Amino acid sequence: EVQLLESGGGLVQPGGSLRLSCAASGFTFRSFAMSWVRQAPGMGLEWVSSIDTSGRGTFFADSVKGRFSISRDNSMNTLFLQMTFLRPEDTAIYYCAKTRSWVPIAKGEDYWGQGTLVTVSS
Amino acid sequence: DIVLTQSPATLSLSPGERATLSCRASQNVGRYLAWYQQKAGQAPRLLIYDASDRATGVPARFSGDGSGTDFTLTISSLEPEDFAIYYCQQRENWPLTFGGGTKLEIK
Repeated sequence: EVQLLESGGGLVQPGGSLRLSCAASGFTFRSFAMSWVRQAPGMGLEWVSSIDTSGRGTFFADSVKGRFSISRDNSMNTLFLQMTFLRPEDTAIYYCAKTRSWVPIAKGEDYWGQGTLVTVSS
Repeated sequence: DIVLTQSPATLSLSPGERATLSCRASQNVGRYLAWYQQKAGQAPRLLIYDASDRATGVPARFSGDGSGTDFTLTISSLEPEDFAIYYCQQRENWPLTFGGGTKLEIK
């Protein structure tokens, strides 16, 4: 059974940093691209970032480019999202999601974690 | 960026009825469009990818169609568990973008 378990969310002040982790199990992690998608309270879905199987290919939404970085540890089956210079508008549930393909842009995200809440507030 | 416009914003139907949801792209996305379902308090679920391919375990009453800029998600006969919010997502170009969603509610 595919499982994705996010951790690392919490309350942080504007300008602060946070690192999210996503522990994956139940599939061959190194063979699939991965993504982060967020959802602000009461709002729709916003794609944040994707990474290819090797970790060398990374992609970001304009709203987080230069502030967030994505990485993966294929030996530990773990995906990361390093968030810096956080803003109140970054407040959201952050979902880790598995792409259906090894190609980051292909197909769609077929498995999702339950999400971790990030709140940016003073 | 490619903008996806979903319509209607809210659709009120009864169980057993047919639902047709629309997604229009601001530029040609070929067939690189996915549909997701999200129920309250839950993570999204992939229903359709590449415009018309059903994801694993998705019931046959869900079907997708379209290409270029106009796409539809059809639910042939609504079950009580189908009332949720539906999002389309384009996968033709970075950045990936989602539509604003259609809320399917019980009439």
